[in-house]
Amino acid sequence: AQTVTQSQPEMSVQEAETVTLSCTYDTSENNYYLFWYKQPPSRQMILVIRQEAYKQQNATENRFSVNFQKAAKSFSLKISDSQLGDTAMYFCALNTDKLIFGTGTRLQVFP
Amino acid sequence: KAGVTQTPRYLIKTRGQQVTLSCSPISGHRSVSWYQQTPGQGLQFLFEYFSETQRNKGNFPGRFSGRQFSNSRSEMNVSTLELGDSALYLCASSPFGGNRETQYFGPGTRLLVL
Repeated sequence: AQTVTQSQPEMSVQEAETVTLSCTYDTSENNYYLFWYKQPPSRQMILVIRQEAYKQQNATENRFSVNFQKAAKSFSLKISDSQLGDTAMYFCALNTDKLIFGTGTRLQVFP
Repeated sequence: KAGVTQTPRYLIKTRGQQVTLSCSPISGHRSVSWYQQTPGQGLQFLFEYFSETQRNKGNFPGRFSGRQFSNSRSEMNVSTLELGDSALYLCASSPFGGNRETQYFGPGTRLLVL
């Protein structure tokens, strides 16, 4: 069975600080993609960043970067220079033939 | 390009009724997937359609069904509604589906079953 685990239900960070959200996954597939999605209070699911499993280089998208450890099946998201607009639920997702989501981490950014 | 659109945005039904939700994918996208989001079960995959054919299906009862039209628009139907069907239903599209593509989500339809 394929699973995605997010062990931090809630996190908070002060504006301009850095925060890291954790995610582990399990799959027997060798070819898969990993994603972080953000869901603000509007409930619109927004792509934050994606990582191809065959690439060793960690993906980066502006203030967002990942630490992808394939052997450990770990895929954490680092948000640098946190902004108030980053306040949202963050979901880690594994895509083999369908998206499997973790339970989410609620991130609150404080001024 | 316009994003994924879903209609209606909000819906209230009573137990035993049926409901149809609609999703229009991003122009040029042929794969449409549906997800159910509830506080208790989180985000769960319902099914995926590609070229008018169901290509993948999640673990939901037969009351949940869907279809896709030749213009890639998709509908999902829930018959004999139960209280537990209250949820946010999200639709996502991608060009061809499969594990290599990013899925882009619509704003969702919030269904309340009374």
